[in-house]
Amino acid sequence: LAKTTQPISMDSYEGQEVNITCSHNNIATNDYITWYQQFPSQGPRFIIQGYKTKVTNEVASLFIPADRKSSTLSLPRVSLSDTAVYYCLVVRSNDYKLSFGAGTTVTVRA
Amino acid sequence: GAVVSQHPSWVICKSGTSVKIECRSLDFQATTMFWYRQFPKQSLMLMATSNEGSKATYEQGVEKDKFLINHASLTLSTLTVTSAHPEDSSFYICSASRGGLMNTEAFFGQGTRLTVV
Repeated sequence: LAKTTQPISMDSYEGQEVNITCSHNNIATNDYITWYQQFPSQGPRFIIQGYKTKVTNEVASLFIPADRKSSTLSLPRVSLSDTAVYYCLVVRSNDYKLSFGAGTTVTVRA
Repeated sequence: GAVVSQHPSWVICKSGTSVKIECRSLDFQATTMFWYRQFPKQSLMLMATSNEGSKATYEQGVEKDKFLINHASLTLSTLTVTSAHPEDSSFYICSASRGGLMNTEAFFGQGTRLTVV
């Protein structure tokens, strides 16, 4: 599976939009881009998944350019409770084995 | 959404004893479950793939005789840490996927904090 690269950490303030960009240069045709959120001492939680263009759900948006070599997770109007580690993963269709990178620690301040 | 439950949430055991951790998919059947380990300030590391009705597949460097995995039913996988030592202290997390052609979403348990003293 394609290796992912994302910033180690990001700081933000309440009410701001947070954008985390992930690089996955070697993504394959059968691969999807998936983001997970993890709070301390909890298992990761699925946020959003996409293949191309833009995907939006109630918590986030995912922007994927045409070449699919990168993706950007957008968290609108973050709050203190959005402080967590966010993982970008490349997942192959029908392969549920996940390989986690270092993730991005997002810290939201008041 | 689908729920995966782990038990216990935390456990403290004496060095040399064995500890069993359960992972259950509460509202769907999972032919495959995964076990991860996470040390403080680090990412999740896949330990093994648990296959219902067959032997688990272990990742390189994971001792299969130390981390026994049993997947006896479509809703339950267990991880037994045998002869635990302090270096086995970690956060153990399981996951399962509902399956389906387009569904690659994995559901994670809440994790089990193991402390070996």
